Amino acid sequence: GENVGLHLPTLSVQEGDNSIINCAYSNSASDYFIWYKQESGKGPQFIIDIRSNMDKRQGQRVTVLLNKTVKHLSLQIAATQPGDSAVYFCAERETGNQFYFGTGTSLTVIP
Amino acid sequence: DAGVIQSPRHEVTEMGQEVTLRCKPISGHNSLFWYRQTMMRGLELLIYFNNNVPIDDSGMPEDRFSAKMPNASFSTLKIQPSEPRDSAVYFCASSLDEAQPQHFGDGTRLSIL
Repeated sequence: GENVGLHLPTLSVQEGDNSIINCAYSNSASDYFIWYKQESGKGPQFIIDIRSNMDKRQGQRVTVLLNKTVKHLSLQIAATQPGDSAVYFCAERETGNQFYFGTGTSLTVIP
Repeated sequence: DAGVIQSPRHEVTEMGQEVTLRCKPISGHNSLFWYRQTMMRGLELLIYFNNNVPIDDSGMPEDRFSAKMPNASFSTLKIQPSEPRDSAVYFCASSLDEAQPQHFGDGTRLSIL
């Protein structure tokens, strides 16, 4: 399958600061992207998604940015809280194919 | 919404034994996925079903692995015989269809001694 990789395997931020988690993808035909959050001992949980006809989408405290030119996806978390500590995965999909998951970035929020 | 339910949550067994993992998808979801997660390889898709029919099993590592979905509310992943390298967390996920976001269960942590 196509490679979905993350630039930073670990990230530490101070509580209250903004976090940015990055993801590079290699399949230029991918047209749907999802960010998942995985807490210890639990399964990945859907956070936010974006389709390739958009370059930005906002949720509650989270924003996903998509740059198709450089095949880059980012997740921004505003006012990071201790409960945001988790592993974050990006997933990509090309229509008709399965989802491919990145290797994950571990976010640690320092109180 | 009860979410995806997996059982058991933990399984420890000796190599050579048969292991059966169970999954109950979210009611109304037509697609079901089995994943394996390890530190070395991350999250790997093993197999997925649409409307109870296996669509892609190319991720199933060996013939020792098999999966069934006898009805819309139940699926099993079986390993026979099990080996230490099968130790991992196995996740089941379901979605409305294969193009929609997947909802994951909390996984089965499998340890083969």
